[in-house]
Amino acid sequence: EPEVTQTPSHQVTQMGQEVILRCVPISNHLYFYWYRQILGQKVEFLVSFYNNEISEKSEIFDDQFSVERPDGSNFTLKIRSTKLEDSAMYFCASSGTGTADTQYFGPGTRLTVL
Amino acid sequence: KQEVTQIPAALSVPEGENLVLNCSFTDSAIYNLQWFRQDPGKGLTSLLLIQSSQREQTSGRLNASLDKSSGRSTLYIAASQPGDSATYLCAVRLSGYSTLTFGKGTMLLVSP
Repeated sequence: EPEVTQTPSHQVTQMGQEVILRCVPISNHLYFYWYRQILGQKVEFLVSFYNNEISEKSEIFDDQFSVERPDGSNFTLKIRSTKLEDSAMYFCASSGTGTADTQYFGPGTRLTVL
Repeated sequence: KQEVTQIPAALSVPEGENLVLNCSFTDSAIYNLQWFRQDPGKGLTSLLLIQSSQREQTSGRLNASLDKSSGRSTLYIAASQPGDSATYLCAVRLSGYSTLTFGKGTMLLVSP
């Protein structure tokens, strides 16, 4: 069964460093998302991406965040200058051809900022 | 702003019991509602999706219902098993938006 994959599974970085989290969505999906979950808290929406551009973003998704689909398979989240409060589990998700579709989530990347 | 609440926060039952998890949301203008399962330190596994025009969806021992007007959904798990132990998350999508708003989840423990 097709699935969303994410790399790395765990990333440790120093405050102020740039990190790139990578995702491979399900191959025929058109909508892509990033969510995050701070330990013990709710899963929060960051950004959605469709047709090579951001379609929605939350107030969390400020100028230090960016997303990109550099080729036909990868979807990346870049955090330019990490802060301690960016430590969280980051989930990538994808959905098919419409807003009615189920969102399928990847296993997540645990980001630890020291 | 949509708020999603899940009750109870935690539930412990012996194997074999039927159980109900509750989800409520403040804005009834939803497009659909999705139930997920999350194992510790893992990703989210989609269990069921209910469109706003539907009343319920079933998958195996799981049945989810939706009452949009009252802002409520329930997830019914029949004949619970230890393998059902996980956190169950409810998420709603508002009409006109693609984003999901999540509840905090119900942590379920099924003991043998």
